Amino acid sequence: QKEVEQNSGPLSVPEGAIASLNCTYSDRVSQSFFWYRQYSGKSPELIMSIYSNGDKEDGRFTAQLNKASQYVSLLIRDSQPSDSATYLCAVNMRTNAGKSTFGDGTTLTVKP
Amino acid sequence: GAVVSQHPSWVICKSGTSVKIECRSLDFQATTMFWYRQFPKQSLMLMATSNEGSKATYEQGVEKDKFLINHASLTLSTLTVTSAHPEDSSFYICSASAPPPLGDTQYFGPGTRLTVL
Repeated sequence: QKEVEQNSGPLSVPEGAIASLNCTYSDRVSQSFFWYRQYSGKSPELIMSIYSNGDKEDGRFTAQLNKASQYVSLLIRDSQPSDSATYLCAVNMRTNAGKSTFGDGTTLTVKP
Repeated sequence: GAVVSQHPSWVICKSGTSVKIECRSLDFQATTMFWYRQFPKQSLMLMATSNEGSKATYEQGVEKDKFLINHASLTLSTLTVTSAHPEDSSFYICSASAPPPLGDTQYFGPGTRLTVL
């Protein structure tokens, strides 16, 4: 079992729809959770960080964390073609001193 | 804030030569820097973790004599690919993290695309 697992994808949604990206992690003592977006040929860029259970909203993005169930998700509302990218879930496990463990990513395509 | 730069953005070299890639944190002091490699359509692969003033910690399977990492200051880390071969052609990305208030978030540089002929 991988330490951080994401939807296998690819995920395709129509423009204006809600895209839902999921991530589960294995280490129960994980402290910090991140979502990155990576466009093809580019490096990852940080979208959201979340540290506490519940929802965290930033514009069209909402991160949801449930530590009891060991999952973190990212919702993208009113999806736009420019949101088409690979989304990476990253988890900082307490034992790794700030090092993030990344999932393999979920590729999202938003169709006009 | 939290800007990380890399230089060069791309490089082409001949087989057998060495290539140095620089990673700089521009507006914060990075306690830890990370080096990743990514092949086309594949996941990020962590190569090594470096802390200022100490030796880098390499991931299993990464040759430390081939990929030399120097973290001489809190704002600069370098990766040197020695005796490069075509199979070393890849996208090399660094990231940097800092103490609070930036916390343990990793901020990525724009990456360096290496092509070895």
